[in-house]
Amino acid sequence: EPEVTQTPSHQVTQMGQEVILRCVPISNHLYFYWYRQILGQKVEFLVSFYNNEISEKSEIFDDQFSVERPDGSNFTLKIRSTKLEDSAMYFCASSDTVNTEAFFGQGTRLTVV
Amino acid sequence: AQKITQTQPGMFVQEKEAVTLDCTYDTSDQSYGLFWYKQPSSGEMIFLIYQGSYDEQNATEGRYSLNFQKARKSANLVISASQLGDSAMYFCAMTRKAAGNKLTFGGGTRVLVKP
Repeated sequence: EPEVTQTPSHQVTQMGQEVILRCVPISNHLYFYWYRQILGQKVEFLVSFYNNEISEKSEIFDDQFSVERPDGSNFTLKIRSTKLEDSAMYFCASSDTVNTEAFFGQGTRLTVV
Repeated sequence: AQKITQTQPGMFVQEKEAVTLDCTYDTSDQSYGLFWYKQPSSGEMIFLIYQGSYDEQNATEGRYSLNFQKARKSANLVISASQLGDSAMYFCAMTRKAAGNKLTFGGGTRVLVKP
């Protein structure tokens, strides 16, 4: 069964460092998303991506964040200068059309120290 | 802005019994989708069931059913014949057609199935 895959599963980084979280969405999906979940809290939307551009972003997704689809399969989230409060589980998701279920990757747990 | 409310932070259920997880939503949109996801302790988000706002029948997927009451703006999840593997966090979520396909999540309900 096709699935969304994320790497790495866990990343520890020093405050101020850049991190890139990687995702391979399901191959025939057109809509891609990043969400985050701070430990013990609800899942929050960060950004959606369609047709090679950002379609929507939340207020969390500030200038420190960027997304890219560098080739036909990968979808990345970059945090330029990490802060302690960026520590969270980051989920990538994809869906094939609007208003259908989004399939989530297993997440990347980011720990900023 | 839309809002999803899950009023039960945690629940115990006896194995083999049914459990209902509450979810209410707030939107003025006519076209929207309602979802339930399961998050086991391993952390991944597993899609369970979907209900469209124009669907007249309640959605069912195996042991999961969604009790959709549009006038009350509620979308409760019913898990029948609970199993130990159902112990997890459950999130209700919503998309609005007017807002693209982003999911807005509720705060979640933790379910613990007792043997």
